[in-house]
Amino acid sequence: EPEVTQTPSHQVTQMGQEVILRCVPISNHLYFYWYRQILGQKVEFLVSFYNNEISEKSEIFDDQFSVERPDGSNFTLKIRSTKLEDSAMYFCASLQGQGLENIQYFGAGTRLSVL
Amino acid sequence: AQKITQTQPGMFVQEKEAVTLDCTYDTSDPSYGLFWYKQPSSGEMIFLIYQGSYDQQNATEGRYSLNFQKARKSANLVISASQLGDSAMYFCAIQDDKIIFGKGTRLHILP
Repeated sequence: EPEVTQTPSHQVTQMGQEVILRCVPISNHLYFYWYRQILGQKVEFLVSFYNNEISEKSEIFDDQFSVERPDGSNFTLKIRSTKLEDSAMYFCASLQGQGLENIQYFGAGTRLSVL
Repeated sequence: AQKITQTQPGMFVQEKEAVTLDCTYDTSDPSYGLFWYKQPSSGEMIFLIYQGSYDQQNATEGRYSLNFQKARKSANLVISASQLGDSAMYFCAIQDDKIIFGKGTRLHILP
């Protein structure tokens, strides 16, 4: 069964360092998303991406964040200068097409720990 | 703006019993999709069940069913014959391009 793949599963970094979280969405999906879940809290939307551009972003997604689809398969989230409060689980999701019956499928997540 | 409310932060249920997880929502959109996701302790987010606002029948997927009451704006998840492996966090969500999640309910199944 096709799945969304995220790497690494756990990333430890020093405050101020840049990190890149990687995702391989399901191959025939066209819409891509990043979400964040701080420990013990609910899952929050960060950004959606379609047709090689951001379609929507939340207020969390400030200038420190960027997304890219560098080739036909990968979808990355970059945090330029990490802060302690960026420590969270980051989920990538993909969606085949618009329409209420379409399901967003999530990857297993990358746990980011900023020290 | 769309909103999901889950009022049960935690629940304890005896194995093999049925359990209902509550969810109410708020939206001004005439058509919308409602979802339930399961998050086990390993952290991944697993899709369980979907209900479209215009669906005439309540959604069912194996032991999962969704008790959809549109007039009351509720979309409760019912798990029949609970199993120890059902112990997890459960999130109700509504889709508006992005997904908006509730705060979740932590379900503990007792042997």
